[in-house]
Amino acid sequence: QVQLQESGPGLVKPSETLSLTCVVSDSSVNTGHHWGWVRQPPEKGLEWIGSSHATGNTNYNPSFKSRVTISVDTSKNQFSLKVRSMTAADTAVYYCVRHFHPDGSTGFYVDHWGQGTLVTVSS
Amino acid sequence: EIVMTQSPATLSVSPGERATLSCRASQSISSNLAWYQQKPGQAPTLLIYGASTRATGIPARFSGSGSGTEFTLTISSLQSEDFAVYHCQQYNSWPPMLTFGGGTKVEIK
Repeated sequence: QVQLQESGPGLVKPSETLSLTCVVSDSSVNTGHHWGWVRQPPEKGLEWIGSSHATGNTNYNPSFKSRVTISVDTSKNQFSLKVRSMTAADTAVYYCVRHFHPDGSTGFYVDHWGQGTLVTVSS
Repeated sequence: EIVMTQSPATLSVSPGERATLSCRASQSISSNLAWYQQKPGQAPTLLIYGASTRATGIPARFSGSGSGTEFTLTISSLQSEDFAVYHCQQYNSWPPMLTFGGGTKVEIK
């Protein structure tokens, strides 16, 4: 059973860059899956941020594309998220996820989730 | 962007009763739809993919149906552990762009 564990700061100042890491256990980031991030503002729905593959192939939600980077580190069996120019609207629980790409489909669904980490943007 | 709309926002159901949740896509997504369950303070978990295939370990009381733009999640006889928020998500976009519905909260009546 794949285990995903997020780590990073719980508090970020406005205009700063958020950096989160997700450590993958009981599996390898080289399995061919896409790895990524989903966030959930307090009392709101889920929002997909983007995904990355061990080959370096990335896909981003267009609403984030200009300020987000997701990358996979095969040497450490982990992947990361960077969000630049954070604002209060970025306050959310951030989940790291593993995507599954079913045969015959162009997209992914999420088959494993981390427990989530709350990130608050405040001065 | 494909917009997903879930209804109702809140569904009040008594234990043992049937719950029917709806999810609508703004354009056809074939059967590229997943459902997730999220309990308070927890991460979502995968329930259904391919619109109707239960994920590993999901009880048979959960069933999904639909294709194109209209989808339904049915819980045949609600158990206490089923009271939660349910999210639908499409995965028909290229390049990949996952979009979720706003969620339906199933609460105890």
